[in-house]
Amino acid sequence: ELKVEQNPLFLSMQEGKNYTIYCNYSTTSDRLYWYRQDPGKSLESLFVLLSNGAVKQEGRLMASLDTKARLSTLHITAAVHDLSATYFCALWTLNNYQLIWGAGTKLIIKP
Amino acid sequence: DTGVSQNPRHKITKRGQNVTFRCDPISEHNRLYWYRQTLGQGPEFLTYFQNEAQLEKSRLLSDRFSAERPKGSFSTLEIQRTEQGDSAMYLCASSFVSNYEQYFGPGTRLTVT
Repeated sequence: ELKVEQNPLFLSMQEGKNYTIYCNYSTTSDRLYWYRQDPGKSLESLFVLLSNGAVKQEGRLMASLDTKARLSTLHITAAVHDLSATYFCALWTLNNYQLIWGAGTKLIIKP
Repeated sequence: DTGVSQNPRHKITKRGQNVTFRCDPISEHNRLYWYRQTLGQGPEFLTYFQNEAQLEKSRLLSDRFSAERPKGSFSTLEIQRTEQGDSAMYLCASSFVSNYEQYFGPGTRLTVT
């Protein structure tokens, strides 16, 4: 069964701290996505990771992909309140053109 | 605004009624996807189109659900004989064939009473 597992599912942290969200998956794939969702809103694409060792950074967010370990990480550096949201990873499946989604990590950053 | 649009944004219906949602993708995008998202969960794939052809349907898509994309432009998702378990956010996304990055619309929130 195809599985995408995120942890933690909930994270409360102080501004200025660093933290990492983990995304493990159960099958091979050639791409992994990270999305952000604000309450009551739709999904905003953050990163598309296409190959082993890929690293992408945007502001205080950095995503990486290790296809051998079937693991992607989203690292938050010096968190600010505006980053409070739910973050999803999603795996592209090669055989049927679907995105399989993690359950999401709800991130709350306290001033 | 050239993003993905969905209508209506909210729909409240009584159990047993039929509902139809519309999605207008980014105009150049060949692929169009429908997802369902319940509170506290990630989206679940329902179906997708490449141009006007429906190429994949999830097992989640019971025979009460039907989707169309006439002429390869906008798409409609119809739910017949709605049940309370159908209450969810229905999301539409579109992409190019050659670039699998999906752009999402704002969603239609369905409440079945």
